Amino acid sequence: DADVTQTPRNRITKTGKRIMLECSQTKGHDRMYWYRQDPGLGLRLIYYSFDVKDINKGEISDGYSVSRQAQAKFSLSLESAIPNQTALYFCATSDFGRGLAGTDTQYFGPGTRLTVL
Amino acid sequence: QQQVKQSPQSLIVQKGGISIINCAYENTAFDYFPWYQQFPGKGPALLIAIRPDVSEKKEGRFTISFNKSAKQSSLHIMDSQPGDSATYFCAAKRGYQKVTFGTGTKLQVIP
Repeated sequence: DADVTQTPRNRITKTGKRIMLECSQTKGHDRMYWYRQDPGLGLRLIYYSFDVKDINKGEISDGYSVSRQAQAKFSLSLESAIPNQTALYFCATSDFGRGLAGTDTQYFGPGTRLTVL
Repeated sequence: QQQVKQSPQSLIVQKGGISIINCAYENTAFDYFPWYQQFPGKGPALLIAIRPDVSEKKEGRFTISFNKSAKQSSLHIMDSQPGDSATYFCAAKRGYQKVTFGTGTKLQVIP
């Protein structure tokens, strides 16, 4: 089974609809992230959480919100979807405290392809 | 402010050739420099990483070189193969802070 899972894998929705993307991990990591990937723009950080009680905005948080329901679950919501939010969304986890100190290796999920019409 | 600048945006290399991707870092306090590889339809995964006290690290056909004074790093893929076709991201991190990614380089290795 995959360590980092994302649901749904694909979603087509209409402008103005509320959308929730879910991420679950079995790696036991404290840190979780939501990224957006667009062609030519790389990975842009939307929100990140270093533990259950810690939520931080990334570089492109406008129009998005998150919820860290448990150590293993981190959800991303688009309150009112718009076409320019059409993108590939990735969840990732990391655990700064394990392995070689300070590496904080990121483990990515398979991605959710979101299309807003 | 883009703290990790990556070039080129795309790259086409013939099979057997050398692929070179460059990265420049704005923040001198970065202390860890990973490179990630992303195949189509997949999430990125750690490929190789280096710390600033090391000038070069090699893993198989993949080599990172790091120039601390120039704040630059390069990924070299020797004897490039079609299976190396992917998007490559350089990244950097400082202490307990989050990782910052570059904009990615799409590599295509043609037969």
